[in-house]
Amino acid sequence: EVQLVQSGAEVKKPGDSLRISCEGSGYKFSDRWIGWVRQKPGKGLEWMGIIYPSDSDTRYTPSFQGQVTISVDKSVSMVYLQWSSLKASDTAMYYCVRQVASNLIDYWGQGTRVTVSS
Amino acid sequence: QTVVTQEPSLTVSPGGTVTLTCASNTGAVTSGHHPNWFQQKPGQAPRSLIFSTKNKHSWTPARFSGSLLGDKAALIVSGVQPEDEADYYCLLYFDGAQVLGGGTKLTVL
Repeated sequence: EVQLVQSGAEVKKPGDSLRISCEGSGYKFSDRWIGWVRQKPGKGLEWMGIIYPSDSDTRYTPSFQGQVTISVDKSVSMVYLQWSSLKASDTAMYYCVRQVASNLIDYWGQGTRVTVSS
Repeated sequence: QTVVTQEPSLTVSPGGTVTLTCASNTGAVTSGHHPNWFQQKPGQAPRSLIFSTKNKHSWTPARFSGSLLGDKAALIVSGVQPEDEADYYCLLYFDGAQVLGGGTKLTVL
């Protein structure tokens, strides 16, 4: 059974760093892209970026380039989303998703809630 | 900047049929944009329904179908059930880059 399991909720202060994770199981982890989607409270879904675990090819939506870093550790089947200095505007739910080939999104993680508040 | 537009809200009666659409400001949506559709119920993670315009996942209920309608992608829900009340999002691919629509809030009333 394919599963994407995300790390738990986080409460941070502005300026803090943070790394959240998404663990893939039930399939050959390195062969499927993993993307990240942001959803601010009461708002729609926003595509942030995507990584191909096999070769770490990473692509960011322009509005997220330089704001976050997506990385992978194939040895533990984990993809990460990290911030070096959080802002209150980063408060949101973050979902990881699996993309097959270049045109099909199938599985979603359960989401990680990030709250940034002083 | 590429913008993908959906109806902000639609209302349908139980048992009825409703069509949600997905348009692009760059021109007509084609099969080459590989439209994907997702459903999100309150407090839940989104769930994938349709990929590559009209293909269903193994878990997609038969009443959901996808197509191209004029210059847009469409998600058609036939025989709407109360549990179909949710937000629906489309995603289009533009030269490999993913763009999500703003979502449609579907009310079943």
